[in-house]
Amino acid sequence: GESVGLHLPTLSVQEGDNSIINCAYSNSASDYFIWYKQESGKGPQFIIDIRSNMDKRQGQRVTVLLNKTVKHLSLQIAATQPGDSAVYFCAENIGGTSYGKLTFGQGTILTVHP
Amino acid sequence: NAGVTQTPKFQVLKTGQSMTLQCAQDMNHEYMSWYRQDPGMGLRLIHYSVGAGITDQGEVPNGYNVSRSTTEDFPLRLLSAAPSQTSVYFCASSYGQGGTYEQYFGPGTRLTVT
Repeated sequence: GESVGLHLPTLSVQEGDNSIINCAYSNSASDYFIWYKQESGKGPQFIIDIRSNMDKRQGQRVTVLLNKTVKHLSLQIAATQPGDSAVYFCAENIGGTSYGKLTFGQGTILTVHP
Repeated sequence: NAGVTQTPKFQVLKTGQSMTLQCAQDMNHEYMSWYRQDPGMGLRLIHYSVGAGITDQGEVPNGYNVSRSTTEDFPLRLLSAAPSQTSVYFCASSYGQGGTYEQYFGPGTRLTVT
C-alpha cells in the first residue's frame, strides 16, 4: 500500500492472480475518491471512483472498497493481466467548492508476471 | 475528440528563462487543472480553473502563472525557470457536473531546467 517516503511501494503478482492495492487517505472530510492507472510515459487514466456514502463499488474486473472509519481505500483487480502493469494512484477530493481539487497519493507499482 | 492535448512534449530551459506550456481540451469541460509529477511521487496540483476567467492556486503555485480566457485553453507560464521546476507537467480537465469529478489527463510535458 501507499506510504509516506520517496520509494514507491511495489506489488508483484502472477498473471491470473487477484491484486489488492491499498491507500490510506488523509482527510476525514474527503467525500470522493478515485483510482488512476499510469503507464510509463503517459498521463493518468481513470479506473474507478467512489463517493463517501458508499463502501463498495464494482467495475469491470475492478472493485474499490472504502473504509471511512480507518480512512482506508483499496483497489482489487481480478484476474490480473500483464497489461495491468502500471503505477496506481488513489486520489481524494474534499468536495464543495473545491470539486476537482484532487490530492494524490504517492502511488503503488504493480508488476504482473506472465 | 482529441481530448486533452499538451505542447510541447519535451522542453529544455536554462535557469531564468520563461516559457508557456500549452493545454487545450475539446470536450467543453468547465474545470481544468495543472499538476506536476516528480520522480517517485504522486501528482501535485499547481493551479486550477473552474471556468473561463476564474483561476485559483493549488498546492504548489509558486513560480507559475495561469490564465483562462476561453473554455478550451489553459496555459501554464513559468516566469523564471529554476532547476527545482524540472518535472513532468500534466494538464487535466473534467465535467464537474452531476457529481462526476473524473479528470481526463493529457500526455504530459517533460521539462528539464539546467
